[in-house]
Amino acid sequence: AQSVSQHNHHVILSEAASLELGCNYSYGGTVNLFWYVQYPGQHLQLLLKYFSGDPLVKGIKGFEAEFIKSKFSFNLRKPSVQWSDTAEYFCAVNQGGKLIFGQGTELSVKP
Amino acid sequence: EADIYQTPRYLVIGTGKKITLECSQTMGHDKMYWYQQDPGMELHLIHYSYGVNSTEKGDLSSESTVSRIRTEHFPLTLESARPSHTSQYLCASSEAGQLNEKLFFGSGTQLSVL
Repeated sequence: AQSVSQHNHHVILSEAASLELGCNYSYGGTVNLFWYVQYPGQHLQLLLKYFSGDPLVKGIKGFEAEFIKSKFSFNLRKPSVQWSDTAEYFCAVNQGGKLIFGQGTELSVKP
Repeated sequence: EADIYQTPRYLVIGTGKKITLECSQTMGHDKMYWYQQDPGMELHLIHYSYGVNSTEKGDLSSESTVSRIRTEHFPLTLESARPSHTSQYLCASSEAGQLNEKLFFGSGTQLSVL
């Protein structure tokens, strides 16, 4: 069965620092990959997704993620974080029409 | 904006009680899901439905049951709650079609069983 691993449980950054959150999945076939975000007090919402084509995917709020098939990875990046990016971030992979989530990474951005 | 609602937001009950967690969506989505999440852990899929009268168990075994009598409603029931059921339960929905897995999530129900 597919599994998703996020390497960092909690990341603390200062504003303007660059961000990279790791995500690895276990299945080597065709995959659809997602990043979801949950801001404090809000619902989980889609940040970006990869289905096919350009492995560099751009999402909302300046986030991007790169799909590297050889590394089974889909890391999330942002060149310069803001205090408002403080949230929990979940990586997910589509398996048979269902989403399998990682354990999440809590990002705290200090003003 | 997504319209998916979960009630109650928080629930504290004693062991042995029967509970139902409500989930409703007004988007006409065929697919609905229940996830269970413990702090610092993955969201685990416990139930899903692809339409009315369709329910399936997810990847994580759960003692809860679900029903899907109407498209918009996907309640989750625990016949006899135990402390091990203490967790956050998240409901989600999406449009039909395997590739379009943009899930819309509810705000969750935080369940505490004493």
